[in-house]
Amino acid sequence: QKEVEQDPGPLSVPEGAIVSLNCTYSNSAFQYFMWYRQYSRKGPELLMYTYSSGNKEDGRFTAQVDKSSKYISLFIRDSQPSDSATYLCAMSDLILTGGGNKLTFGTGTQLKVEL
Amino acid sequence: EAEVAQSPRYKITEKSQAVAFWCDPISGHATLYWYRQILGQGPELLVQFQDESVVDDSQLPKDRFSAERLKGVDSTLKIQPAELGDSAMYLCASRGRGTSGRLEETQYFGPGTRLLVL
Repeated sequence: QKEVEQDPGPLSVPEGAIVSLNCTYSNSAFQYFMWYRQYSRKGPELLMYTYSSGNKEDGRFTAQVDKSSKYISLFIRDSQPSDSATYLCAMSDLILTGGGNKLTFGTGTQLKVEL
Repeated sequence: EAEVAQSPRYKITEKSQAVAFWCDPISGHATLYWYRQILGQGPELLVQFQDESVVDDSQLPKDRFSAERLKGVDSTLKIQPAELGDSAMYLCASRGRGTSGRLEETQYFGPGTRLLVL
């Protein structure tokens, strides 16, 4: 079993829809949770970062972490065609001053927002 | 905006040949990572540097892969000999300190080098 599980999709939604992307994990030591967006043939770019449990909102994006269920979500409101990309969840157990911050990624969910 | 630079962007090689990838992190970023991303999967860490020192290379196939960051700035990842299973995207990322001097949580990724081994 992988440490981080993510539905690979593809997920296709109409423009304006609310999108829910999810990951589950098994390592209870994970404390830092991130969502990256990756366009085709590009490197991942950080969208959201949260520490421990709770919600965080940034514009049309909301990240939720439920450590008791080992479950994280990314919600996209009013989805746009430009949101079409692969969304990767990533998590780490500790950020050390001299190093650390090893990220464990999910497989990514491919999202397509159609006009 | 500062970016992580990688070259080449694409590389096609035959198995048993040697290949090398180059990464220039964001200026001032002491921590540098090399990841491998197989199509349809998430990136997996190969090696992590803090300045010129290797912090973690536990997932690096050392019989064929090597990485260096001699002056603690740019880095080179080498594969010799390349195998068919090495076909993947090789991503470089870096991490630095914020204005407060505290190490940032964010890793900034370059565009990657897409390798195809024939």
